[in-house]
Amino acid sequence: EAGVVQSPRYKIIEKKQPVAFWCNPISGHNTLYWYLQNLGQGPELLIRYENEEAVDDSQLPKDRFSAERLKGVDSTLKIQPAELGDSAVYLCASSLEGHGGYEQFFGPGTRLTVL
Amino acid sequence: KQEVTQIPAALSVPEGENLVLNCSFTDSAIYNLQWFRQDPGKGLTSLLLIQSSQREQTSGRLNASLDKSSGRSTLYIAASQPGDSATYLCAAPMDSSYKLIFGSGTRLLVRP
Repeated sequence: EAGVVQSPRYKIIEKKQPVAFWCNPISGHNTLYWYLQNLGQGPELLIRYENEEAVDDSQLPKDRFSAERLKGVDSTLKIQPAELGDSAVYLCASSLEGHGGYEQFFGPGTRLTVL
Repeated sequence: KQEVTQIPAALSVPEGENLVLNCSFTDSAIYNLQWFRQDPGKGLTSLLLIQSSQREQTSGRLNASLDKSSGRSTLYIAASQPGDSATYLCAAPMDSSYKLIFGSGTRLLVRP
């Protein structure tokens, strides 16, 4: 069974440029999460989707960040414009409601560097 | 507000040693607790998930315990190997939202 797929793996951009990250969850997983991980820290939740609905986006900086999950499968996280402080690893995870107590499975992440 | 703390922040042991990693949380009303492994530059690999009704879970050389009353979980690694070198993170969901709150991790180095 394929795991969570993310692309790109690495992205280097200049500040004020836009950037987008893509995530394909494990097949059949209805819940999708985007996390941000700074160096030496644990991940922090940005947004959680149940199917197409964003049920928790309280930690998403909505002035510059946006996300979508069309058709309840793939998801895209966008930053526009990027700032120096956005340099971090962006992780996508998925889980199956009612299975295993919502065990979350993570993708490899996208490492963003903003110059 | 759930806070998760991991001690120690870093640990270096010789190969073959048994070791324990600690995780503490402030809100005992957790739904479950999950232990992850993260290799440098990689994503997180789920190691063990302990439901709130369970006391422990085992997978191979790994054993995780959960004591909700004291707000603690431990990850026991038996007969450590150099391949176990990684950062180990624990995470507990905040209320019924299943929003995971992570600790900062323990960086483990197993010396050959």
